[in-house]
Amino acid sequence: NAGVTQTPKFQVLKTGQSMTLQCAQDMNHNSMYWYRQDPGMGLRLIYYSASEGTTDKGEVPNGYNVSRLNKREFSLRLESAAPSQTSVYFCASLRGRTEAFFGQGTRLTVV
Amino acid sequence: GQQLNQSPQSMFIQEGEDVSMNCTSSSIFNTWLWYKQDPGEGPVLLIALYKAGELTSNGRLTAQFGITRKDSFLNISASIPSDVGIYFCAGPPGGANSKLTFGKGITLSVRP
Repeated sequence: NAGVTQTPKFQVLKTGQSMTLQCAQDMNHNSMYWYRQDPGMGLRLIYYSASEGTTDKGEVPNGYNVSRLNKREFSLRLESAAPSQTSVYFCASLRGRTEAFFGQGTRLTVV
Repeated sequence: GQQLNQSPQSMFIQEGEDVSMNCTSSSIFNTWLWYKQDPGEGPVLLIALYKAGELTSNGRLTAQFGITRKDSFLNISASIPSDVGIYFCAGPPGGANSKLTFGKGITLSVRP
């Protein structure tokens, strides 16, 4: 079972470059989330999608956009990367409102 | 901002020891969750608690949903080296549109 698949696993960007982080789940879940993880800060919610066709801002949405392409896929886009966006990004798919299944993460460095 | 409080940020124990962690909130939570993150991986759900006062075990792990609904506890008994990782509490605060929120996590180190 693949579960939640994130690509790429690692990425280095220059300040100002753009990129899209991809996430796909094969568990037929309605809700999908994007978090970022920084040392000592835990997991902070960037954006979430409660169902196909809907997206909402989380705690730290500035500098990001998302697209819920279909039920399986939820992508996160950085239009103009900044060093403050250096982080580990996790996509999660939720069973119900609580049980989150995470991908392996994307380690992004912006120089 | 973060609504779930976990402290200390790091804990160091000897193999074989028991360890207890707690998580508190100023808001009422209807569900409490405990996740573990191994180095280089995404978090994985350990235990879910759905009722105030509920006590649930998963092997050497035991978790409790506080009766005030504002706290939860996780106990690990007879620790082993593979217990190393970051332990997060999480839950959706009360309310129709509440989102899954995580604490900052506690990094556990186990000395052989």
